[in-house]
Amino acid sequence: NAGVTQTPKFQVLKTGQSMTLQCAQDMNHEYMSWYRQDPGMGLRLIHYSVGAGITDQGEVPNGYNVSRSTTEDFPLRLLSAAPSQTSVYFCASSEGLSPFQPQHFGDGTRLSIL
Amino acid sequence: ELKVEQNPLFLSMQEGKNYTIYCNYSTTSDRLYWYRQDPGKSLESLFVLLSNGAVKQEGRLMASLDTKARLSTLHITAAVHDLSATYFCAVDYVTGKLIFGQGTTLQVKP
Repeated sequence: NAGVTQTPKFQVLKTGQSMTLQCAQDMNHEYMSWYRQDPGMGLRLIHYSVGAGITDQGEVPNGYNVSRSTTEDFPLRLLSAAPSQTSVYFCASSEGLSPFQPQHFGDGTRLSIL
Repeated sequence: ELKVEQNPLFLSMQEGKNYTIYCNYSTTSDRLYWYRQDPGKSLESLFVLLSNGAVKQEGRLMASLDTKARLSTLHITAAVHDLSATYFCAVDYVTGKLIFGQGTTLQVKP
C-alpha cells in the first residue's frame, strides 16, 4: 500500500542550486500533479500531467520543470533555486478525469532555500 | 482571475457545537472537493461533489454544493476534538486544474 511516494522528505538548498523532487505512484493513475503549499495560501498547482508524455502548466509554473516518461513517475525539477521557492511541495495522483476522482497526496517534501 | 475563498479562515469552537465553513468560487464549475489536513501531514480526501444540489455526509461532517450560487458548505455537527484540522475546498475549473481555497483551521476545544 505505498500509494504516492515523495522523496526526499526534507531538503535544504543554497540559492542557485538545482535539484529534483521525486514522485512515484503505484496505483496506475493517469493523472499526476505537483502543488506547493505556503502559509495562508492553500495549495497552488505548479504542473500536472494527464498521462505519460503529456504535461501542462498550472498556476505557478515559473522556475519549475516536469516530465512524464512513465505512468508511475512525475519528477519536479528546480533549475536554479530561489528563496521564494521555499515551501512544502505535494505530489498527487488520481485515477482519471471523468468524473474527476479525488486526488491521493504524498506526504510532502519540505524545501528550504537559503 | 479565478478565486476560491473560504471563510472563516480560523474557527475555534467548543465541543458539541455546530458550525459551517463556506467556500465561494468565482467561475462556473460543477466539481468541488473537500480535503482535510492535520498539522504537518498530507491531505486526505473528504468529499467529492459533482453536481448542483449534491450533498454528501460522513459522520459529523456534511458537504453541499450550489453551483448557481457558486457556493459549497461544510457543516460540522456536534463537534468533537478529533475534528480539529485544516479543511480545504478545491474547485476543478478546467479538467485537471484544481484551485484550492486558503483553508479553514478548525480548533475544537473540550
